[in-house]
Amino acid sequence: DARVTQTPRDKVTEMGQEVTMRCQPILGHNTVFWYRQTMMQGLELLAYFRNRAPLDDSGMPKDRFSAEMPDATLATLKIQPSEPRDSAVYFCASGFEFSYEQYFGPGTRLTVT
Amino acid sequence: EDQVTQSPEALRLQEGESSSLNCSYTVSGLRGLFWYRQDPGKGPEFLFTLYSAGEEKEKERLKATLTKKESFLHITAPKPEDSATYLCAVQVGNPGKLIFGQGTTLQVKP
Repeated sequence: DARVTQTPRDKVTEMGQEVTMRCQPILGHNTVFWYRQTMMQGLELLAYFRNRAPLDDSGMPKDRFSAEMPDATLATLKIQPSEPRDSAVYFCASGFEFSYEQYFGPGTRLTVT
Repeated sequence: EDQVTQSPEALRLQEGESSSLNCSYTVSGLRGLFWYRQDPGKGPEFLFTLYSAGEEKEKERLKATLTKKESFLHITAPKPEDSATYLCAVQVGNPGKLIFGQGTTLQVKP
């Protein structure tokens, strides 16, 4: 059963600390997406990649967020420095570009105190 | 501005009581409309994709329909296990960029 995996599942950190979230997309998928979900804003697209190349990161605060795909099996989202307003659930999703369907991971719940 | 609005925000049904959820959209250049189900503490689970007005898709007790301005998710004879938040999303512009609605939280009581 192919699934998107994310680590860690929960992260509590203090303001100012660096946070790294990792995602393993479904094998064979060539698009990867990072979303943030909050009660107020719902699901928001932060960035996405196709064939490991960043296509759109307009939803991401550039001064503190960065997203990369070191290889086809790993995507990372970093926040440095973290702030309390970054507290949210961060989802990774993957898909195959020609079907447009996206399959979501279980999420990383981030709490910044 | 591209926008997706779901209604109602919350819906309570008795088991077996059929109903519909609405997703209305104002976008330029719709490429596809997607329905997802999200259970508490989990990621959204893909349900359907609709591409053109008049299209319908079914899965168990769920049927999704699409017009030029909105989509409906019909739930026939729901069961308690259908309780979840249902999210609608539209794909516009760049391939893969989804804009999500705020969701409808469905509770089905036995």
